[in-house]
Amino acid sequence: GENVEQHPSTLSVQEGDSAVIKCTYSDSASNYFPWYKQELGKRPQLIIDIRSNVGEKKDQRIAVTLNKTAKHFSLHITETQPEDSAVYFCAASKGYSTLTFGKGTMLLVSP
Amino acid sequence: NAGVTQTPKFRVLKTGQSMTLLCAQDMNHEYMYWYRQDPGMGLRLIHYSVGEGTTAKGEVPDGYNVSRLKKQNFLLGLESAAPSQTSVYFCASRATGGNEKLFFGSGTQLSVL
Repeated sequence: GENVEQHPSTLSVQEGDSAVIKCTYSDSASNYFPWYKQELGKRPQLIIDIRSNVGEKKDQRIAVTLNKTAKHFSLHITETQPEDSAVYFCAASKGYSTLTFGKGTMLLVSP
Repeated sequence: NAGVTQTPKFRVLKTGQSMTLLCAQDMNHEYMYWYRQDPGMGLRLIHYSVGEGTTAKGEVPDGYNVSRLKKQNFLLGLESAAPSQTSVYFCASRATGGNEKLFFGSGTQLSVL
């Protein structure tokens, strides 16, 4: 089955800096790659996703890039703010099968 | 729209006790899922359902059973709880077709002593 590795497990940045979280996947047939954000004590929520026919997608301060050849995708957050502090999960799936999640990255943005 | 509602929010069990977690969604979603979340382990799929009357095993199904008798409800049962089942449980649902966004419930914190 699919295996998703996520790095780093924790990331500390200063407010205004950029943050990058990286994920690799094992199944070359995977074609859907979402990112979920989970604030402390809250439910995970989708923040951005990308499909395999697209190399990059942006939504205001967040962007996701995909390298199908290398089987990795990354989340980029620019101009980080304290409210960006949360746990971020990457995931992968193929077709309409179930999602396989990475183990998460705890992002801490210090004022 | 309430979205995805889980009950209860907290529960403490003794080893060997049984319980049922209820997930209800009001978005007419076909697909429903049960995940467990443990520190450093991410979200792991326990069981899922692709429609009323169907269920399937996920990554970590042992010790759990599920039922989807009505489209809007997905029940997760623990027949004989073990300390290893101490976790936060999340239910999620999504529509069919090209929209693969998962909608999560608020979670159930379960402790098995």
